[in-house]
Amino acid sequence: QKEVEQDPGPLSVPEGAIVSLNCTYSNSAFQYFMWYRQYSRKGPELLMYTYSSGNKEDGRFTAQVDKSSKYISLFIRDSQPSDSATYLCAMTSGNNRLAFGKGNQVVVIP
Amino acid sequence: EAGVTQFPSHSVIEKGQTVTLRCDPISGHDNLYWYRRVMGKEIKFLLHFVKESKQDESGMPNNRFLAERTGGTYSTLKVQPAELEDSGVYFCASSPRGGLGTDTQYFGPGTRLTVL
Repeated sequence: QKEVEQDPGPLSVPEGAIVSLNCTYSNSAFQYFMWYRQYSRKGPELLMYTYSSGNKEDGRFTAQVDKSSKYISLFIRDSQPSDSATYLCAMTSGNNRLAFGKGNQVVVIP
Repeated sequence: EAGVTQFPSHSVIEKGQTVTLRCDPISGHDNLYWYRRVMGKEIKFLLHFVKESKQDESGMPNNRFLAERTGGTYSTLKVQPAELEDSGVYFCASSPRGGLGTDTQYFGPGTRLTVL
């Protein structure tokens, strides 16, 4: 069983729509949860970081963690064409070794 | 402030040859990480340096891979001899402090390695 599962299917949405992404994980030791954004030919860039269960909001972005279900989500409100990128979930138990999901390619259509 | 840089951006070599990838972390970052993404798979951890010491090399696939970080600044990752399955994108990341998972890792743009 993979440590982190992220359905890698591409996602196309019209501008202004809500984008919903999620990952599940199997390692109960994971305590720190991240979402990275990766533009084409660039490295991953940290977008959101949460510790333990709960919600965190940053502008149009909301990250949710449900440790009881081993499930994390990222929501993007009022999506913009500039949000078009690959979004990767990542997590760690605290040893700085990040475990990534496969990523979702998101395309926001103007 | 300059970000993490990697060289080359793309390397094409034949099976059996040697390739050396270089990573320059953000100045002042003691922690340096190597990750790899093989086509169709997720990004996987390879190893973690703290200054010049290998803190964790549990992700290194086999002894054909050798990572060094002389003087605690830039790092090199050598693959010798390269095999077809080594093809992928090799990312380097750096972070200032390390610690209990609260340290942001800043990624470079990656080196795309193609082994023919």
